[in-house]
Amino acid sequence: GAGVSQSPSNKVTEKGKDVELRCDPISGHTALYWYRQSLGQGLEFLIYFQGNSAPDKSGLPSDRFSAERTGGSVSTLTIQRTQQEDSAVYLCASSLESNQPQHFGDGTRLSIL
Amino acid sequence: AQSVAQPEDQVNVAEGNPLTVKCTYSVSGNPYLFWYVQYPNRGLQFLLKYITGDNLVKGSYGFEAEFNKSQTSFHLKKPSALVSDSALYFCAVRGSDNFNKFYFGSGTKLNVKP
Repeated sequence: GAGVSQSPSNKVTEKGKDVELRCDPISGHTALYWYRQSLGQGLEFLIYFQGNSAPDKSGLPSDRFSAERTGGSVSTLTIQRTQQEDSAVYLCASSLESNQPQHFGDGTRLSIL
Repeated sequence: AQSVAQPEDQVNVAEGNPLTVKCTYSVSGNPYLFWYVQYPNRGLQFLLKYITGDNLVKGSYGFEAEFNKSQTSFHLKKPSALVSDSALYFCAVRGSDNFNKFYFGSGTKLNVKP
């Protein structure tokens, strides 16, 4: 079956613009995570969705970051008024339940000029 | 504070030799531990996990990891390395104060030379 799909794979934009990143999880996976991976760093937790529960937004670095998950499936991560420090690879992962292994997409490489 | 440490940025081994990639963790209570592998321009792939039971956990591609509670370690091992094992390896632990949150190490680049 299909894995986790993320789009776009690459995004280059100017400082100050808004960007929207998309994640299509594995069908039936109720848990969905967003992470940020900066060069030479581990993964930084951003946000977690579980079914219809309120998302855990405790990892979002600023109020410029937001995410939605519509119908318990597709998720979008939005970064408003992008800054150069937002440049990173944004990874999405899904799992059957919160303590099961996560399946990762290939990420969106975001570059802010 | 909860965290994972991978003390080696890079590990070099010759093909056919055993390999070890080190991981130590800091979390209260019983840890849920994971290893993932990342190939260039790809997402992470799950290798193995420890939740409870035997301290030696076997996973994908011949990898195994040993949980050591007294040393708070979860080192990844393989008896005989392959060139194709060359990749970036991440250790992760589930948070004990927030079960939704997973803490990842900074990664160890494994280079296996022919």
